[in-house]
Amino acid sequence: QSALTQPAAVSGSPGQSITISCTGTSSDVGTYDLVSWYQFHPGKVPKLIIYEGSKRPSGVSNRFSGSKSGNTASLTISGLQADDEADYYCCAYAGRNIGAVFGGGTKLTVL
Amino acid sequence: QAQLVQSGAEVKKPGASVRVSCKASGYTFTGYHMHWVRRAPGRGLEWMGLMYPDSGNTKYVQKFQGRVTMTRDTSITTAYMELSGLTSDDTAVYYCASKTAANEYDWAFEIWGQGTMVIVSS
Repeated sequence: QSALTQPAAVSGSPGQSITISCTGTSSDVGTYDLVSWYQFHPGKVPKLIIYEGSKRPSGVSNRFSGSKSGNTASLTISGLQADDEADYYCCAYAGRNIGAVFGGGTKLTVL
Repeated sequence: QAQLVQSGAEVKKPGASVRVSCKASGYTFTGYHMHWVRRAPGRGLEWMGLMYPDSGNTKYVQKFQGRVTMTRDTSITTAYMELSGLTSDDTAVYYCASKTAANEYDWAFEIWGQGTMVIVSS
């Protein structure tokens, strides 16, 4: 069982927006602004798409955005494209003793 | 550009050990932590720990304490992760991950290796 809770699957049609939630606790998501999100395409190297809660690395589309409210972080993808179909994982810093914790992953299907 | 290239797939018997290598290029290998993450079927991602390549200092997740060893050879900018006492639960894809910029990507994994599949089977 993963430390962070994500929905197992979400779906949307091209052009729509979807949001993936990532629920942790006051010891990780709720305390540190160090949530990151990763995209896993089959056969490709994993890709960082959001870091420090809401920052985008250079080269990542502005269709990807991150936010946080309390113990829950969220990834929103707007203007869905076929290529967005992938697995998405959230990760949070949980303090010096624990380090990093991940969510169980969400499979995004673009209908 | 910055790149991490990992060693190839491994098949091991229960009780054996496996060592995965991660060759870094295109950035300052000794400047940033090298993390190891695994992705097991149906179990999501799991952070295993980190090593600071400059000093060799390590931090391991308690679950893997006593079974995992992270090392490096700075002369060839390569990190290693060895896992012993393998069981079927260790069947997973193992990734190394790091970053390339100071003051950015705090506790985030900017660059990843391509992954190494480790299968534990009798």
